[in-house]
This record gives sequence, structure tokens and C-alpha cells, in this order.
Amino acid sequence: EPEVTQTPSHQVTQMGQEVILRCVPISNHLYFYWYRQILGQKVEFLVSFYNNEISEKSEIFDDQFSVERPDGSNFTLKIRSTKLEDSAMYFCASNAGEDNEQFFGPGTRLTVL
Amino acid sequence: GEDVEQSLFLSVREGDSSVINCTYTDSSSTYLYWYKQEPGAGLQLLTYIFSNMDMKQDQRLTVLLNKKDKHLSLRIADTQTGDSAIYFCAEAGGGNKLTFGTGTQLKVEL
Repeated sequence: EPEVTQTPSHQVTQMGQEVILRCVPISNHLYFYWYRQILGQKVEFLVSFYNNEISEKSEIFDDQFSVERPDGSNFTLKIRSTKLEDSAMYFCASNAGEDNEQFFGPGTRLTVL
Repeated sequence: GEDVEQSLFLSVREGDSSVINCTYTDSSSTYLYWYKQEPGAGLQLLTYIFSNMDMKQDQRLTVLLNKKDKHLSLRIADTQTGDSAIYFCAEAGGGNKLTFGTGTQLKVEL
């Protein structure tokens, strides 16, 4: 069964460093998403991406964040200068179209020291 | 903005039914979802219901939707220890993004 994959599973970084979180969505999906979950809190929407551009972003997704689909398979989230409060689990999701089920990856745990 | 609320904790005995409740505010929600998250794991879609339905049954799972009250519930029949997890309801309103609830931790005791 096709699935969304994410790498790495755990990333530890120093405050101020750049990180890139990687996702491989399901191959025939057209819509891609990033969500984050700070430990013990709810899952929060960050950004949605369709047709090579951001279609919606939340207020969390400030200038420190960017997304890219550099090739036909990867979908990346970059945090330019990490802060302690960026420590969270980051989930990638994809779906085939609007109103279709979003499939989630296993997540990347980001720890900022 | 959209808001989704759930009770934080539910404890049941193995074999009993569990009912997890959720309220939401966005009346334009098209789909409402239930996700399961086991410790250290990702989000597993359990079931979903379209907003023009009021009930959906899928094996041990029954979803009830009261659109007038904006209330959603998930009933798990014959709850097993393997059902212990955090359950999130989520609504898809305009724009295709999901808004998640706070999550309900279900503990199943022997």
C-alpha cells in the first residue's frame, strides 16, 4: 500500500541553524501539506501546496519557513534559523484532490537545543 | 477562526464501548475525520464522515454527526487494549486544510 515517507525520523540541531525536513508524498497525489505538533499539544496546520505554489499558510508559517518541491517526488520544509520553540513533531501529508483523505507520514521529530 | 474541542481523557474497561466526543465551530465543514495516534507514531485515519450524513458505521466504529449542534462522536464497540491511543477529531473546512482537536487520550483497562 502506498504511503507517505519522511526523513529523518529525528533531527537535532542548534538554535540558529537551518534545517530541511524531507517528505515523499504518495506518487499520484497533487496536494501536499505540512503540520506540526508541539509535545502534548494539538496538531497544527502550517502550509498547503498545490501546482508548485503555496495555496494556504497559517500564521505560524512566517518568513523563517519555506517549502519546495525540488523534483517530481520530494516535498521539503525548510526552517531558515531555528528557534527553541520550533521543537516539535512535523508531519507531512498528501492527498489526491480536495475533499479526499489526507495521508500522513510518520513524522520528523525536530529538537532545537 | 475554526476551533475544535475534545475532552482530554477517557478510561474504559476492556470489552466496554468507548464514546469520544468532539465539538467544532466551522459550519462550512465538509468532512469530519477521526485519527488515531499511538505513542511516538504518526496519524492513522480511522474513519471520516461527510457533512450531509448523520451516521457512519465501519466495523467496530460508529460515527455520529449532529450538524445542528456541531457535535461529532466516535463510538468504539468492544474496546480492546490495542485501542489505547490518542484520538483526534479534525474538520476540513474551506481551503482543504485540517483543523485538529486537542486529542482525547483513551486508556483501556483490563
